[in-house]
Amino acid sequence: RKEVEQDPGPFNVPEGATVAFNCTYSNSASQSFFWYRQDCRKEPKLLMSVYSSGNEDGRFTAQLNRASQYISLLIRDSKLSDSATYLCVVIGPEVTNKLIFGTGTLLAVQP
Amino acid sequence: EADIYQTPRYLVIGTGKKITLECSQTMGHDKMYWYQQDPGMELHLIHYSYGVNSTEKGDLSSESTVSRIRTEHFPLTLESARPSHTSQYLCASSEGLGGQNIQYFGAGTRLSVL
Repeated sequence: RKEVEQDPGPFNVPEGATVAFNCTYSNSASQSFFWYRQDCRKEPKLLMSVYSSGNEDGRFTAQLNRASQYISLLIRDSKLSDSATYLCVVIGPEVTNKLIFGTGTLLAVQP
Repeated sequence: EADIYQTPRYLVIGTGKKITLECSQTMGHDKMYWYQQDPGMELHLIHYSYGVNSTEKGDLSSESTVSRIRTEHFPLTLESARPSHTSQYLCASSEGLGGQNIQYFGAGTRLSVL
């Protein structure tokens, strides 16, 4: 079983739609959680950190559910420019503090 | 924007050649990483360093080697390139721990070994 699992998609949604992605992680002692965005043939970039209390940044909302070991990303009022792969990233409990990346979920926003 | 640079951006080379992929960052970050990513697939950590003269192998076995003689520089070397090494190689750096361990990525090097 992979340490971080995501639905690869693609999620094809019309402009203006609300879309949600989930990600599950296997190690209950994982420390920190992030969503990164990766455009086609580009490098990943941090989208937002995920806090236990949930956090919002404009149209983006991230939630963490430690009991069920999943994190989510909600995008409201989708824009064409939101089309990208969204990577779920987890930092495990090891002292090495390494990031563990999911395979990513591909979002395609249609005009 | 993060100040982390990778060269070359694209490299096409024949089997058996020795190659070095360069990665430099100007942010003074102690931690640096190399990832390998095939098209449409997840990133795999192949090397990391937590400071000068510190290098460790990552989760994915790789025939490449790295060095960290200066804080800002973390080159990756393949002594004898093979077609199986064809992939994208991404370098990253970070400063903090836990929730502050935000990694900044370079633009990557796309390597094709013929």
